[in-house]
Amino acid sequence: SQQGEEDPQALSIQEGENATMNCSYKTSINNLQWYRQNSGRGLVHLILIRSNEREKHSGRLRVTLDTSKKSSSLLITASRAADTASYFCATDYSGNTPLVFGKGTRLSVIA
Amino acid sequence: DTGVSQNPRHKITKRGQNVTFRCDPISEHNRLYWYRQTLGQGPEFLTYFQNEAQLEKSRLLSDRFSAERPKGSFSTLEIQRTEQGDSAMYLCASSWKQGGGSETQYFGPGTRLLVL
Repeated sequence: SQQGEEDPQALSIQEGENATMNCSYKTSINNLQWYRQNSGRGLVHLILIRSNEREKHSGRLRVTLDTSKKSSSLLITASRAADTASYFCATDYSGNTPLVFGKGTRLSVIA
Repeated sequence: DTGVSQNPRHKITKRGQNVTFRCDPISEHNRLYWYRQTLGQGPEFLTYFQNEAQLEKSRLLSDRFSAERPKGSFSTLEIQRTEQGDSAMYLCASSWKQGGGSETQYFGPGTRLLVL
């Protein structure tokens, strides 16, 4: 079964607004990663946060990790129509096992 | 372009036929992964290689599926006696990983399989 579960399943916002997606997982992790997938394409790595980190930034992306709650959030600020995609969290729970992906959040940014 | 490439991009086949997909990873990467993704779901792990060794296979991978990475470079995924339930996007990813450290996986564009 897939370990990460994203919430919400779908999100629709206006261009310029912020988008927040959440990911919950079940067991201790080595790191957690976020990927983006445009319709019918491969996945693109966005950001990796290690279990001993609480927050990371990359451009308009901000990721937080709360290991006590076993959850992470991805914030996209000042969204653009080009941000329309599915966003997946992936958990690496031992460093030597394959990533486990959630079902994703489908983000639609309306111009 | 030095990204991950996959061929073919689309494959339509009749039930019972065999199909083979190819993945060419980023050249210096030692790990290569295969995933399957169905509509509305995230990628599901199938198998992975470190160099030419196949280190793990998912329980999802039935006996009809076989993967190889003969020289530690490109990989093939073969599905024998295809079934309609095999219809999905097959994704390949590669990475460089040493020991238990973190890795970033780089994905190819996928091969979309439709079994009629």
